[in-house]
Amino acid sequence: GENVEQHPSTLSVQEGDSAVIKCTYSDSASNYFPWYKQELGKGPQLIIDIRSNVGEKKDQRIAVTLNKTAKHFSLHITETQPEDSAVYFCAASLGTGTASKLTFGTGTRLQVTL
Amino acid sequence: EAQVTQNPRYLITVTGKKLTVTCSQNMNHEYMSWYRQDPGLGLRQIYYSMNVEVTDKGDVPEGYKVSRKEKRNFPLILESPSPNQTSLYFCASRTHRGPNTGELFFGEGSRLTVL
Repeated sequence: GENVEQHPSTLSVQEGDSAVIKCTYSDSASNYFPWYKQELGKGPQLIIDIRSNVGEKKDQRIAVTLNKTAKHFSLHITETQPEDSAVYFCAASLGTGTASKLTFGTGTRLQVTL
Repeated sequence: EAQVTQNPRYLITVTGKKLTVTCSQNMNHEYMSWYRQDPGLGLRQIYYSMNVEVTDKGDVPEGYKVSRKEKRNFPLILESPSPNQTSLYFCASRTHRGPNTGELFFGEGSRLTVL
């Protein structure tokens, strides 16, 4: 089955700096790669996703890049703010249909300091 | 408001005392799933259901049971809890239809401690 590795496990950046979280996956057939943000005391929430026919996707200060050859995808947060402090999970799956299974990475705790 | 509701949010119990964590969603989603979150291990799937009366094991199903008698509800049952089931549990749901089929909607979590 799919295996997703995520690094780093913790990341501390100063407000205004950029943060990058990296994930690798094992199943070359995977084609859907979402990122979830988990704020303290809450459930994870989808913040951005990318499909394998796209190399990069942006949404305001966040962007995700995908390298299918290397089986690697990354989350980039620019101009970090204190409200970006949270745990971030990457995930991978084959499709998004009825039987698709999402495999999560182990999470990255991002702390944005003032 | 679209949401996934779990109860209880916090529970301390003792080894062997059966308990049920309820999950309900109001989005008419076909797919529902349970995950446990442990430090350093991320989110691991326990059981999932693709629709009413259809359930299947995830990656860590041992010690758990589920049922899906109604579309909106997907309870997680621990028949004889053990300390290694101390964890943070999340219920999630998604639809199979439309442009956003990939998005999982999570509940706020149930923190379970088994003594």
